[in-house]
Amino acid sequence: QVQLQESGPGLVKPSQTLSLTCTVSGGSINSGGYYWSWIRQPAGKGLEWIGRMYISGTTNYSPSLESRVTISVDTSKNQFSLKVTSVTAADTAVYYCVRARGSYYGYYFDYWGQGTLVTVSS
Amino acid sequence: DIQMTQSPSSLSASVGDRVTITCRASQSISKYLHWYQQRPGTAPKLLIYAASTLQSGVPSRFSGSGSGTDFSLTISSLQPEDFATYYCQQSFSSQGPWTFGQGTKVEI
Repeated sequence: QVQLQESGPGLVKPSQTLSLTCTVSGGSINSGGYYWSWIRQPAGKGLEWIGRMYISGTTNYSPSLESRVTISVDTSKNQFSLKVTSVTAADTAVYYCVRARGSYYGYYFDYWGQGTLVTVSS
Repeated sequence: DIQMTQSPSSLSASVGDRVTITCRASQSISKYLHWYQQRPGTAPKLLIYAASTLQSGVPSRFSGSGSGTDFSLTISSLQPEDFATYYCQQSFSSQGPWTFGQGTKVEI
């Protein structure tokens, strides 16, 4: 059973960089056929896809966040990470790390971390 | 970007009711459409992928249909644990972004 677990600071100051790590257990992050993604959800609002990484190193980001976001992977630790620079209060949200599995009709999110709340405040 | 619009935004129902939620895409997305359930305080859970394929372990009272721009999620007989928010998501865009509908809250 694959499990994902987010970790990182729960409080970040405005203009600083938000950094989160997702540890994957029960399966290798090196397995082909999956994208490793980040999704966020502000309190009381809907889900926003942030971006994804394939194990080859290919990344794709939401156009609204692309200039501030980096997703990277550390295969030796079976982890992938998210960095968001120049954060504001609008970046306050629960952040989920997620595995996207491929099918004939595209990718869907089959395993989710429990989510971690990141608050941007001075 | 492909926009996903769900309706209604919320609905009230009773245990045993048949409930249908719709999702419309701003352009044709074939069957690149997936459904999730989110209970309060928990991560979303995959219910249906590729418009109509039930994820393993999901009760058969959940079903999905549609292709192109119009899709629906139906719960045939609402159970107490089904009161939650439901999201559709498209993955038609090969480079992303993958987008979600705004959610439909199913309440008592």
